[in-house]
Amino acid sequence: KAGVTQTPRYLIKTRGQQVTLSCSPISGHRSVSWYQQTPGQGLQFLFEYFSETQRNKGNFPGRFSGRQFSNSRSEMNVSTLELGDSALYLCASSLQGFDSTEAFFGQGTRLTVV
Amino acid sequence: GENVEQHPSTLSVQEGDSAVIKCTYSDSASNYFPWYKQELGKGPQLIIDIRSNVGEKKDQRIAVTLNKTAKHFSLHITETQPEDSAVYFCAAPPLSGSARQLTFGSGTQLTVLP
Repeated sequence: KAGVTQTPRYLIKTRGQQVTLSCSPISGHRSVSWYQQTPGQGLQFLFEYFSETQRNKGNFPGRFSGRQFSNSRSEMNVSTLELGDSALYLCASSLQGFDSTEAFFGQGTRLTVV
Repeated sequence: GENVEQHPSTLSVQEGDSAVIKCTYSDSASNYFPWYKQELGKGPQLIIDIRSNVGEKKDQRIAVTLNKTAKHFSLHITETQPEDSAVYFCAAPPLSGSARQLTFGSGTQLTVLP
């Protein structure tokens, strides 16, 4: 069973540009969550999508957005990039259930803003 | 929101010794507590989790204990091996109980010395 796939693995962008990252969840998983990981702030929750709807959102500015498609694949977009957006962006997929369920992470996309 | 504190930030042990990492959480309604292992250049890997209806769970050399009264949980690794060297994160969900919106501890860099 394939794991969570994130593309691209590495990106270098210039300040002011925008970027789109992609995540394909584990087959059968319908929930996708995004996290930002930096040395200073650690792992921080960005948002979660289920059935093409954003269900939860972390404390990030509106420049960070996302969407989910009918096949559960998800994209996140960051507009007007700032140097501080340099980070490892991680995607996690989960089954939907009434109880808390496990989240499985991809390898991440390393974004560098110059 | 949920607040998770993790200690120690770094831990060095001799191969074969045990390692213990501790976390405390603030939201008494939290009911799911996963532990992740992150190796260099990889995404976090779920290694064990525990739910609030049990006090301890074990999987080979890894065990997790939960004390709901004191609001803390711990990861225990016995007979450590060099391949156990990595950063370990504890996490907890917010009041809503969604495992898809995790608050992570700051991480523990575990080094197993041969």
